Amino acid sequence: DTGVSQNPRHKITKRGQNVTFRCDPISEHNRLYWYRQTLGQGPEFLTYFQNEAQLEKSRLLSDRFSAERPKGSFSTLEIQRTEQGDSAMYLCASSWTGKLFFGSGTQLSVL
Amino acid sequence: KNQVEQSPQSLIILEGKNCTLQCNYTVSPFSNLRWYKQDTGRGPVSLTIMTFSENTKSNGRYTATLDADTKQSSLHITASQLSDSASYICVVSMDSNYQLIWGAGTKLIIKP
Repeated sequence: DTGVSQNPRHKITKRGQNVTFRCDPISEHNRLYWYRQTLGQGPEFLTYFQNEAQLEKSRLLSDRFSAERPKGSFSTLEIQRTEQGDSAMYLCASSWTGKLFFGSGTQLSVL
Repeated sequence: KNQVEQSPQSLIILEGKNCTLQCNYTVSPFSNLRWYKQDTGRGPVSLTIMTFSENTKSNGRYTATLDADTKQSSLHITASQLSDSASYICVVSMDSNYQLIWGAGTKLIIKP
């Protein structure tokens, strides 16, 4: 499978714990995006990388959230001290020119 | 305020029938308009991307239209199949991929 891969698919955690998600983009794509989606809503932009540089961050990305893309390949999104409001689907997408290719997402449930 | 509104919120049709989903937007600047299909529990999949100068674009049984003057778009699905059951999301790009204004989607259910 040469699409965008996200792991894990599902994550259940207790409030206050830290969680980390991984995204492996399509190999030749230099741009990588993280979105958050709640039920019945469209995805909300969180952050964007071009190669290893993090170029944009949404105001939604509080200081509990951090994303990295070492060496411009895979990316990780970490949420520290999770809150119940963090429960959502976290989507990763990559692109080369324009068209976005999404992964299947990581569904986070904070208990 | 930049926003994308979709209608109807949900739609149920019988297999084999056609349907049209609507999208109205107030977004500036405008770069392109996209339609995505999203199955439950999966990421969105791109159906069409249209720039300002394009009026119609087809992808198999999916045909999208764009009227840049009235800021309206539609997605027409022909001869629906059970696998078309999904949410269809209209997205307007302002300038780049991180400046996307997403609609809330239309949930389409195809019944046999």
